[in-house]
Amino acid sequence: GNSVTQMEGPVTLSEEAFLTINCTYTATGYPSLFWYVQYPGEGLQLLLKATKADDKGSNKGFEATYRKETTSFHLEKGSVQVSDSAVYFCALSDQKVTGTASKLTFGTGTRLQVTL
Amino acid sequence: DTGVSQDPRHKITKRGQNVTFRCDPISEHNRLYWYRQTLGQGPEFLTYFQNEAQLEKSRLLSDRFSAERPKGSFSTLEIQRTEQGDSAMYLCASSLEGYNQPQHFGDGTRLSIL
Repeated sequence: GNSVTQMEGPVTLSEEAFLTINCTYTATGYPSLFWYVQYPGEGLQLLLKATKADDKGSNKGFEATYRKETTSFHLEKGSVQVSDSAVYFCALSDQKVTGTASKLTFGTGTRLQVTL
Repeated sequence: DTGVSQDPRHKITKRGQNVTFRCDPISEHNRLYWYRQTLGQGPEFLTYFQNEAQLEKSRLLSDRFSAERPKGSFSTLEIQRTEQGDSAMYLCASSLEGYNQPQHFGDGTRLSIL
């Protein structure tokens, strides 16, 4: 079956540091890949997505590239801010047949703490 | 676009009681999903509706769980005879129909079983 593995947290960085959160996946088909972010007390928000190999998703300074050869979708940001402190979830959707559910399979999440 | 709305935000109940949660999706979204999230874990898929039809259910959805979406708009998730293990955050998401349309999540209902 499908699965997503994320690096364990918490990840603690100083403001303006470079961020990488690793994500690898196992899927039976050709999944689409997503990063969601969950700020304290809030629901999940879609951060970025990539739907095919070599696609790069980007949003709010975050980037992730769909690497089929390494089955990875690592999240990066060049300079983090205190406001980026949150839990980040990598997820995949493996819709092989049109009309079937694009249910998401999530990783366990990585907590990011950014300090001044 | 007011987003996905879930009610209540928190529910505390005694073991053995029945509980019902409500989800109001984004109005033009015809797909609706329920997930469950336990502490320190990512959300896990429970069930999915396209309009009023429940098209898929996870093995996680035991016989004590039932979900409905009677008019293809809001949805309810009922848990009968609650157990300690049902304590979790229950998340609702909605999306447009179509390949890889992004799912928009509500803030969730946190269920605590005493």
